[in-house]
Amino acid sequence: QKEVEQNSGPLSVPEGAIASLNCTYSDRGSQSFFWYRQYSGKSPELIMFIYSNGDKEDGRFTAQLNKASQYVSLLIRDSQPSDSATYLCAVKRETSGSRLTFGEGTQLTVNP
Amino acid sequence: EAGVAQSPRYKIIEKRQSVAFWCNPISGHATLYWYQQILGQGPKLLIQFQNNGVVDDSQLPKDRFSAERLKGVDSTLKIQPAKLEDSAVYLCASSPTGVRYNSPLHFGNGTRLTVT
Repeated sequence: QKEVEQNSGPLSVPEGAIASLNCTYSDRGSQSFFWYRQYSGKSPELIMFIYSNGDKEDGRFTAQLNKASQYVSLLIRDSQPSDSATYLCAVKRETSGSRLTFGEGTQLTVNP
Repeated sequence: EAGVAQSPRYKIIEKRQSVAFWCNPISGHATLYWYQQILGQGPKLLIQFQNNGVVDDSQLPKDRFSAERLKGVDSTLKIQPAKLEDSAVYLCASSPTGVRYNSPLHFGNGTRLTVT
């Protein structure tokens, strides 16, 4: 079982729609959860982090965390073509020397 | 604030040759990471330094890969000898601390390695 699994892509949505990206993790000791966006040929950049159960909103982005189900998701409202990228889910424990573990990523395409 | 600097941006070598990558983290960042990202996959941690000490190198293929962070600032990652499967982007990242909540990683632009 992979430590971090993301829904297989590619995911294609029309402009203005809601894009839903999902991630599950195997380590119940994970405490912090991150979503990174990676444009083709570029490095990952942090979009959001969450560490409490529930929802966290930042502009058009909402991260949702359910530790009991070991599930974290990212919703992108009013999707724009500029949101087309690969989205990486990453998790870590908050202990000394803990490792940030990434999923394989989900490729999102927003069609104009 | 200057970002994470990496060099070179691209490198093409033949298998069995050696190669080295350099990284200069953001000033003041104690934690430095080297990730390997194979095309179509997520980044995989190779080694994590806290200042100049190794915190995690459990996924580093130590028979061919080595890394050092002298003086707790910049770092080099070396591959010797290279294999075809080492073709990937090598990402360096830094963070103020590796253990605190909300301590995001800042990535450099990466070095794209092609082994032929």
